[in-house]
Parts: sequence; structure tokens; C-alpha cells
Amino acid sequence: AQKITQTQPGMFVQEKEAVTLDCTYDTSDPSYGLFWYKQPSSGEMIFLIYQGSYDQQNATEGRYSLNFQKARKSANLVISASQLGDSAMYFCAMREGGNDNNDMRFGAGTRLTVKP
Amino acid sequence: SAVISQKPSRDICQRGTSLTIQCQVDSQVTMMFWYRQQPGQSLTLIATANQGSEATYESGFVIDKFPISRPNLTFSTLTVSNMSPEDSSIYLCSVIPNRWGHEQYFGPGTRLTVT
Repeated sequence: AQKITQTQPGMFVQEKEAVTLDCTYDTSDPSYGLFWYKQPSSGEMIFLIYQGSYDQQNATEGRYSLNFQKARKSANLVISASQLGDSAMYFCAMREGGNDNNDMRFGAGTRLTVKP
Repeated sequence: SAVISQKPSRDICQRGTSLTIQCQVDSQVTMMFWYRQQPGQSLTLIATANQGSEATYESGFVIDKFPISRPNLTFSTLTVSNMSPEDSSIYLCSVIPNRWGHEQYFGPGTRLTVT
């Protein structure tokens, strides 16, 4: 069974600094996708970034980058130049197999607080 | 991307009653799902809504408690039946627009409180 682990229940970062949110995963499937979502207090789930298991380069989307270390099965999210609006819950998720597999599983989440 | 709306956005319901949540997508999508997020918890997949056939439920979720319909490629409903306070959660609709893409999007959620 696949498993997603986020070991940081809460993180604090100073505004304008970078922060790394940790995520490790466990799967025996060679084909999988890794996702990060942001959930502000409003409750919506905002898609941030995606990394495929066969992707050669780390994914980047604006201030978000994914530090993908396949051998270590880690997919840490790096947020550069933190902003107050980045304060939210962040969830790491994984979906195994090809696109016919709908089984996206989520980690427990990390609550990020950006300090002014 | 896909624009997803859910109705109602929130509700307070009495124990023993049922609530039907609607999910509408602005375009035809390959796959639709329903998730539950209990207070302070992560998301848990309830079921995959299959168009024209019975939904596929995850372990711990049953059709009698969470009947799901998906009459077409843009719409689905989730009913929470015979509610108890333990059903108080956010219920989220999610879609994969394109079977050949990886994107998966979520609706704004329905906040349910059962008293």
C-alpha cells in the first residue's frame, strides 16, 4: 500500500525567506505522480506543483519548486521568498500507476505560518 | 483546468437526516471523485463516481451511507445518509479533466455540521 509521510505538523518562516516542507513516500510502483496542494483557511484545495516519477528534472512553478530525490523517496516542497499569503496547510499527495489509477492519497499535512 | 462548483457550500443538519451535495464541472471530465476531510485531518477518498454505473467505494465507505450518482460527464451528487455528528466534515468533489493528463482539481468543498 502506498503511504505519504509529512513529519512536520507545523512550520514557521520569516517573510521573504525560503522554507522547505518535507514529504516522503512509499511505493513499489515504478510509475507514480507526486503532488502538492495548498489549503488556506477557506478550505479550498489549490494545486501547486506536480512531479512525475520519470521526470528527469525537478518541477518548478513560480516560487514553488519540488526537490525530488527518487532514491530517497522524498519530494520536498520549497517555497522561495515567502509571503504572508502563503500561510496555509500544505498537503503532499501521490497517485500510483497510469492515468487509469484514481487512487490519490494524501499526507497528514503541514501548517505553514509566515511571520511578518 | 476545470472550474468546479459545489452546492451547498455549507450546511447544518440534524442527526438522522440526509443531505445531498452537488458537484458541477464547467467541462466534460474523465474522472470524478468524492473526498472527505474530517476536522483537523487530511483528505480521505470516499469513492470514484462512475458515469452511468455504480460508484467504486474505498474501504470503510458503503453505498447505503454515501450513495453517489453521476448521470453525465459534468455532474455528480453525493448523499450523506442518516447523518450523525461523526459525519461533520468537509466534503470535496475532485476531477481529472483529461485521462492523459496528470492534473487533478478540487471543488471548493461543502462544510457539513451535524448536530
